[in-house]
Amino acid sequence: DAGVIQSPRHEVTEMGQEVTLRCKPISGHNSLFWYRQTMMRGLELLIYFNNNVPIDDSGMPEDRFSAKMPNASFSTLKIQPSEPRDSAVYFCASSLARQGASTEAFFGQGTRLTVV
Amino acid sequence: AQSVTQPDIHITVSEGASLELRCNYSYGATPYLFWYVQSPGQGLQLLLKYFSGDTLVQGIKGFEAEFKRSQSSFNLRKPSVHWSDAAEYFCAVEDYKLSFGAGTTVTVRA
Repeated sequence: DAGVIQSPRHEVTEMGQEVTLRCKPISGHNSLFWYRQTMMRGLELLIYFNNNVPIDDSGMPEDRFSAKMPNASFSTLKIQPSEPRDSAVYFCASSLARQGASTEAFFGQGTRLTVV
Repeated sequence: AQSVTQPDIHITVSEGASLELRCNYSYGATPYLFWYVQSPGQGLQLLLKYFSGDTLVQGIKGFEAEFKRSQSSFNLRKPSVHWSDAAEYFCAVEDYKLSFGAGTTVTVRA
């Protein structure tokens, strides 16, 4: 398997523009996570999907952020409108969640977003 | 809520010397604990994990970690550091999601 695939790897956009980040999880995994990494706040969980259903979106900063998982092999994180403070590295991770078992999360390479 | 604390922000170690990175967790039940490594510009790679059983866990790249319930700790160790071990290391605790510590940056000097 190619692992978790994120695109684009780098994105530079102007403030106010819409940004869409994409993620293809590992085939067979049933859990998907979006994390954001900044110097100030470290790694923060934004949203967690299980079997394509959003389970915990308490980490989504505000209404400008939205995430979807239309099927088991694809997820998007959208920011509209984008702001300079959204600049960060966004990671997607997937795992196979089983009852009572530890689940190893596999991370993508991340998307480095710069909003100018 | 579960959380982890990594007390050391930055550690510098000489190549060939031993390395120990500290991690303390807060969790009500038996924790699932992980150590991840992140090289510059890269994603996170799992080094090792603790689920249950033997409290000394072996991982990849020669790393090991010891779970100590009495101290709520899960410290990462490597007997002899290589220059390629320079990276940022994250401890994490799982409760369906991973909660990460702030990370420890390791610098290896020749």
